Amino acid sequence: DIQMTQSPSSLSASVGDRVTISCRASQSISTYLNWYQQKPGKAPKVLIYAASSLQSGVPSRFSGSGSGTDFTLTISSLQPEDFATYYCQQSYSAPTLFGPGTKVDIK
Amino acid sequence: QVHLQESGPGLVKPSETLSLTCTVSGASISSYYWSWIRQPPGKRLEWIGYVYYSGSTNYNPSLKSRVTISVDTSKNQLSLKLSSVTAADTAVYYCARFGPFGSAHDPLDIWGQGTMVTVSS
Repeated sequence: DIQMTQSPSSLSASVGDRVTISCRASQSISTYLNWYQQKPGKAPKVLIYAASSLQSGVPSRFSGSGSGTDFTLTISSLQPEDFATYYCQQSYSAPTLFGPGTKVDIK
Repeated sequence: QVHLQESGPGLVKPSETLSLTCTVSGASISSYYWSWIRQPPGKRLEWIGYVYYSGSTNYNPSLKSRVTISVDTSKNQLSLKLSSVTAADTAVYYCARFGPFGSAHDPLDIWGQGTMVTVSS
């Protein structure tokens, strides 16, 4: 199985901050990497697919980059509604595993 | 607009079989892969498996011996059966679609709201 790790596990930030979250796969997954946002009590919502493609309806302050084993999610200017937990997920091969998550909360 | 709704018992006894249904509305179940994912309280998301509208399946090896996922195209539904449950199977269970391109490499672009299942006597 392809294992996924994320860093940091949590971070505190202020509105307007630039936030970067990293995700690493245990082997190359090309660009089959997706990012999700999950708020408490809600289902996850896809933000970025194929490493860098912005899902329809997602604000442009979210962006993704990377290929192979190392990937990054960037929020250019954190907004109040962005405080949530973020997960990466590889869709290169089954089983499609998720990372452990990064919780973004208010500083 | 595509909508997914999970349904089934919220409480299951240990050693019994957990059974859930996901009803798809607003689109045909055909031509897509459909997945079940679960999330134990306070933990990460865990992919359980997927089913193609044709009926072909792929399961997480960690659950494969206990899982059956099937599809009923006439009802636009998919179902999940997980046998011999224990407290470790207590989780919110979600159904979701791999989309929008009809590939299992797609992201999970549409999710149900999730249903909490507790395993307890």
